[in-house]
Amino acid sequence: GNSVTQMEGPVTLSEEAFLTINCTYTATGYPSLFWYVQYPGEGLQLLLKATKADDKGSNKGFEATYRKETTSFHLEKGSVQVSDSAVYFCALSDNTDKLIFGTGTRLQVFP
Amino acid sequence: DAGVIQSPRHEVTEMGQEVTLRCKPISGHDYLFWYRQTMMRGLELLIYFNNNVPIDDSGMPEDRFSAKMPNASFSTLKIQPSEPRDSAVYFCASSPYAGTEAEQFFGPGTRLTVL
Repeated sequence: GNSVTQMEGPVTLSEEAFLTINCTYTATGYPSLFWYVQYPGEGLQLLLKATKADDKGSNKGFEATYRKETTSFHLEKGSVQVSDSAVYFCALSDNTDKLIFGTGTRLQVFP
Repeated sequence: DAGVIQSPRHEVTEMGQEVTLRCKPISGHDYLFWYRQTMMRGLELLIYFNNNVPIDDSGMPEDRFSAKMPNASFSTLKIQPSEPRDSAVYFCASSPYAGTEAEQFFGPGTRLTVL
């Protein structure tokens, strides 16, 4: 079945460091791919998405490129801030109405 | 719009008691999803509705769990009787349409503790 695999956390970085959170997927067909972010005490909110191969989603300085050849959708940011500390979820949407989420990766950014 | 509204935000109850969680989706959204989040199992889809009709309840853990959506602006998730292993954060989410590009909008969650 369809699935999403994320790197284990926590990821601990100093402010202004470069961030990569790896995400790979298994799916039949042509899924859409998403990154959601969950700040402490809040629900998940969409960070960015890509709907077809080679699309790049971007928002708030974060980017992810839909790579069909490597079945990946890695999240990157050039310079993280303390306010980026959160849990990040990779997800895919296949031909059903449902989202399939990864296990989440906690990011901790220290000043 | 106020976003997805959930109540209560926190619930502490004793084992064996009935628990009812409530959700008001974003107006105009046809889809409503209930999720459970725990450290051990991550984010699990419990059930979802389309136009107030339950479509897939395969994620509901057992008969103690039930969900209803009597109208387009209200849904409940009920646990009866509750058990300590039901302790989790329960999220409601809504979506305006189906399809692979559809974004889900999440509420703030209800943190349930069963003693």
